Amino acid sequence: GAVVSQHPSWVICKSGTSVKIECRSLDFQATTMFWYRQFPKQSLMLMATSNEGSKATYEQGVEKDKFLINHASLTLSTLTVTSAHPEDSSFYICSARDLEGIGNGYTFGSGTRLTVV
Amino acid sequence: GQNIDQPTEMTATEGAIVQINCTYQTSGFNGLFWYQQHAGEAPTFLSYNVLDGLEEKGRFSSFLSRSKGYSYLLLKELQMKDSASYLCAVLDSNYQLIWGAGTKLIIKP
Repeated sequence: GAVVSQHPSWVICKSGTSVKIECRSLDFQATTMFWYRQFPKQSLMLMATSNEGSKATYEQGVEKDKFLINHASLTLSTLTVTSAHPEDSSFYICSARDLEGIGNGYTFGSGTRLTVV
Repeated sequence: GQNIDQPTEMTATEGAIVQINCTYQTSGFNGLFWYQQHAGEAPTFLSYNVLDGLEEKGRFSSFLSRSKGYSYLLLKELQMKDSASYLCAVLDSNYQLIWGAGTKLIIKP
């Protein structure tokens, strides 16, 4: 089945620094990648939708200058958390849809646990 | 607005059967997904329903009634490893996934 590889799995960074998270679709081309954030005991919150070769679409309340998304190729999308603060500490997950069909579901990366100290 | 409702938490006994309900109100409907998420991990796909009826996949079954805006996930022969959160998500008319808050399932021996 479709596989999305997400790195790093976890990262600890100092307040004010930037962190880049990568998601790669390994055996399919993902024209669209979804980026989610999940706080403890809460559901997934869609942050933005990235489309290969164009600007990402951000959800209301998500700062596009803080959460930079790049989708330069059909197999790679990146999320950069700039000038991270402790409140940005969360579980970040990417997801893509295998173009072979909706019935196969949306494949998720393994997630990145970000802790800002 | 768009809304997905599912119970916050359920408890069941190992070997038993449990049904997790999900009701939805969305702008359009292009299918409903169930995902399993263990603590600290990403969700994994369980099922997709777009037509009314029951879809069976091993110990797990998923049911959909579009007229009632209702779905359930049925888990049989529960095992301890089934302890997880179960997320209901609906694909709306814009092919956006709308997520429920998830149901935490606790399995007791």
